[in-house]
Amino acid sequence: KNQVEQSPQSLIILEGKNCTLQCNYTVSPFSNLRWYKQDTGRGPVSLTIMTFSENTKSNGRYTATLDADTKQSSLHITASQLSDSASYICVVSARNTDKLIFGTGTRLQVFP
Amino acid sequence: SQTIHQWPATLVQPVGSPLSLECTVEGTSNPNLYWYRQAAGRGLQLLFYSVGIGQISSEVPQNLSASRPQDRQFILSSKKLLLSDSGFYLCAWSSGRVNYGYTFGSGTRLTVV
Repeated sequence: KNQVEQSPQSLIILEGKNCTLQCNYTVSPFSNLRWYKQDTGRGPVSLTIMTFSENTKSNGRYTATLDADTKQSSLHITASQLSDSASYICVVSARNTDKLIFGTGTRLQVFP
Repeated sequence: SQTIHQWPATLVQPVGSPLSLECTVEGTSNPNLYWYRQAAGRGLQLLFYSVGIGQISSEVPQNLSASRPQDRQFILSSKKLLLSDSGFYLCAWSSGRVNYGYTFGSGTRLTVV
């Protein structure tokens, strides 16, 4: 069964600190993996998208990694800001399909 | 550039009333369109997707229906809302090309009372 699991479910950090969010998936055959940021009450916004051949991709202070062998991805946030408080969703798609498999997200709270 | 519009942002409706949520996409043609529901603390659940005008696929049996009367318009409807229909509804579009972007609307918070 195609599944995407994220950890931790929630995370609290202080402003300026770094953090790493994890994503494990069992989707096969794998096509790509995306990380989204979702502010409360808003739609998800894309941060990164990685294909099988890519093992890292950055978007400002966000850096995603992908290990297609172990089927794991991480999202690293550097020098966190209050505006980083949001849910971060890992999304995987299988080859030859446009449908996405969503993780349940990690709720990040950044405190001053 | 492409944009996606979804409205209304919030909606409170009584049980048994009808529902119509609208989503439109600009700046592209023949997009794949999707309706998702997000329950609190849960992942996004795909409700409907459409690859063309009048072509609707339903992912889960439910009290809702979808229609695509125009190429860039996607409507989510119900004839009689249930309490369980409450949730956060998201419209999304993609080009259908693998590894291409997948863009969400801003969402509609529906509360059925």
